[in-house]
Amino acid sequence: AQKVTQAQTEISVVEKEDVTLDCVYETRDTTYYLFWYKQPPSGELVFLIRRNSFDEQNEISGRYSWNFQKSTSSFNFTITASQVVDSAVYFCALFIDYKLSFGAGTTVTVRA
Amino acid sequence: EAGVAQSPRYKIIEKRQSVAFWCNPISGHATLYWYQQILGQGPKLLIQFQNNGVVDDSQLPKDRFSAERLKGVDSTLKIQPAKLEDSAVYLCASSFLGARNTEAFFGQGTRLTVV
Repeated sequence: AQKVTQAQTEISVVEKEDVTLDCVYETRDTTYYLFWYKQPPSGELVFLIRRNSFDEQNEISGRYSWNFQKSTSSFNFTITASQVVDSAVYFCALFIDYKLSFGAGTTVTVRA
Repeated sequence: EAGVAQSPRYKIIEKRQSVAFWCNPISGHATLYWYQQILGQGPKLLIQFQNNGVVDDSQLPKDRFSAERLKGVDSTLKIQPAKLEDSAVYLCASSFLGARNTEAFFGQGTRLTVV
């Protein structure tokens, strides 16, 4: 069975600080995809980034970056120079055989 | 491109009543998901369709929940009779068949309150 764990329940930072969100996953499959989604107060889940299990290259996309390490089954996500608009709940998700499973989410509050 | 459409946005019912939610996925998306998101938790998959066939409904409380996707496009999720613990946001999502690296697109959800 697959499982996604987001140990951080809430994170509060001051604007312009960096925020790193932790995600640990469990699966016996060798082919899978990992996602990060953002859920602003409006409620809609917004796709942010995707990584497949065969590509451990870490990338930066604008203010977002991620650190994927298969050896520790972790897929951490960083927001650089946070802004108030980044305040939301962030979900890590695991995609295997067309099934998308979510972690419990981390609430990020960015204070001006 | 139009997104995933859901209606209604909000619904308040009394326990033991019935309720139905509607979802129209993105055109051309064969996979459709219904998720239940209880306040403070991550979304939990209720049922997944591939075209009009059910792929996974292992977490659907089948004694009270039902879902259908006629003609492989629109879908409805029904609860009958509703319980207090069914209060949640019901999210519909869709994705493109065959592209395993394609993300699911979500609607804005239906917030259900059972009183």
